[in-house]
Amino acid sequence: AQSVTQPDIHITVSEGASLELRCNYSYGATPYLFWYVQSPGQGLQLLLKYFSGDTLVQGIKGFEAEFKRSQSSFNLRKPSVHWSDAAEYFCAVGAGYGNKLVFGAGTILRVKS
Amino acid sequence: DTAVSQTPKYLVTQMGNDKSIKCEQNLGHDTMYWYKQDSKKFLKIMFSYNNKELIINETVPNRFSPKSPDKAHLNLHINSLELGDSAVYFCASSQLLGNEQFFGPGTRLTVL
Repeated sequence: AQSVTQPDIHITVSEGASLELRCNYSYGATPYLFWYVQSPGQGLQLLLKYFSGDTLVQGIKGFEAEFKRSQSSFNLRKPSVHWSDAAEYFCAVGAGYGNKLVFGAGTILRVKS
Repeated sequence: DTAVSQTPKYLVTQMGNDKSIKCEQNLGHDTMYWYKQDSKKFLKIMFSYNNKELIINETVPNRFSPKSPDKAHLNLHINSLELGDSAVYFCASSQLLGNEQFFGPGTRLTVL
């Protein structure tokens, strides 16, 4: 069965510092991978996606993620975090028939000034 | 223009009642979904519809009945509400083969 692991429940970074959120997936076929962000009381917004091709994908708000098949990972990065990036981040894998998304448990990002 | 909309945003009700949540998308997508986000923020698929036909039912109790009158709408009706149904329910849509899903703002259901 498909699964997604986000090992870090909370991460705190200083404003202007770099960020990396970890995501590992388990899926038998070539995965479709996604990162979504959820601000408090809001819905989910797609940051970026990987379907195929270049393993480094660029997203909105200055985020990028790198797909590493050998490590079954799809880590999210940002070179310089802004206070407005404070939110919860979800990694997801698109799982086969029916197109359902299987989500990780989320990582809460706190940004300190 | 709102791509995926849900009504109501908040729903507070008593145990045993029946309630509905409505979802509409104006993206022209073929596939719509319902997800449940529990109190620990864990998101799990409930249903998926493609062109008004059910294609995923993730062992959701029979008290939950999705209805898709057309491919732009997917409503969720819940009978005999229980305390454990309290959660945030998200509607989403996508093109089936595209996999990129667009989410609505969520409906926070509280069962007292």
